[in-house]
Amino acid sequence: KAGVTQTPRYLIKTRGQQVTLSCSPISGHRSVSWYQQTPGQGLQFLFEYFSETQRNKGNFPGRFSGRQFSNSRSEMNVSTLELGDSALYLCASSFSGPGVLTFGAGSRLTVL
Amino acid sequence: GEDVEQSLFLSVREGDSSVINCTYTDSSSTYLYWYKQEPGAGLQLLTYIFSNMDMKQDQRLTVLLNKKDKHLSLRIADTQTGDSAIYFCAEIGNEKLTFGTGTRLTIIP
Repeated sequence: KAGVTQTPRYLIKTRGQQVTLSCSPISGHRSVSWYQQTPGQGLQFLFEYFSETQRNKGNFPGRFSGRQFSNSRSEMNVSTLELGDSALYLCASSFSGPGVLTFGAGSRLTVL
Repeated sequence: GEDVEQSLFLSVREGDSSVINCTYTDSSSTYLYWYKQEPGAGLQLLTYIFSNMDMKQDQRLTVLLNKKDKHLSLRIADTQTGDSAIYFCAEIGNEKLTFGTGTRLTIIP
């Protein structure tokens, strides 16, 4: 059974650019959550999607957005990148809810 | 606030038991979780405990829950080099999972 796949694994952007990260959940999982991981702030919840609807949202500015497609794949977008957006972005999927999560390996974003 | 707190570092000799502690904040959390993160990888669910339980054992892992003090611990028996990782406790609050700061476990040969 394939795990959670995130692409790209690594990327480098410059300030002001935008980035789109992709996440393919485990087959049959309808919930996809996104987290930002940094050394200073730890793991911070970004948002959760379930059946194409955003079900929950963390405390991030509007530059951070996401969506989920009918096949449960999800993307997140960060516009007008700032240096502080450098982080590991983790996607996790679950069958129904936010507790038992299966994580992908993450997309490491570096903003120069 | 929703700060879930853990000690940042723990060093244990190979073969000894490791005890990782966590203090959570949301007394209404129905489940509490332990996740493990190895270098360069995402998080992996280790175990979880329902809030009406005091203890759960799963092979080398023992979870203890003290609801009165909002204290959760993870004991790893016979710690091995493969247990080197960062361990996160997490609670459910407002229908989202809130993670602790993580404890980096280092195994001393």
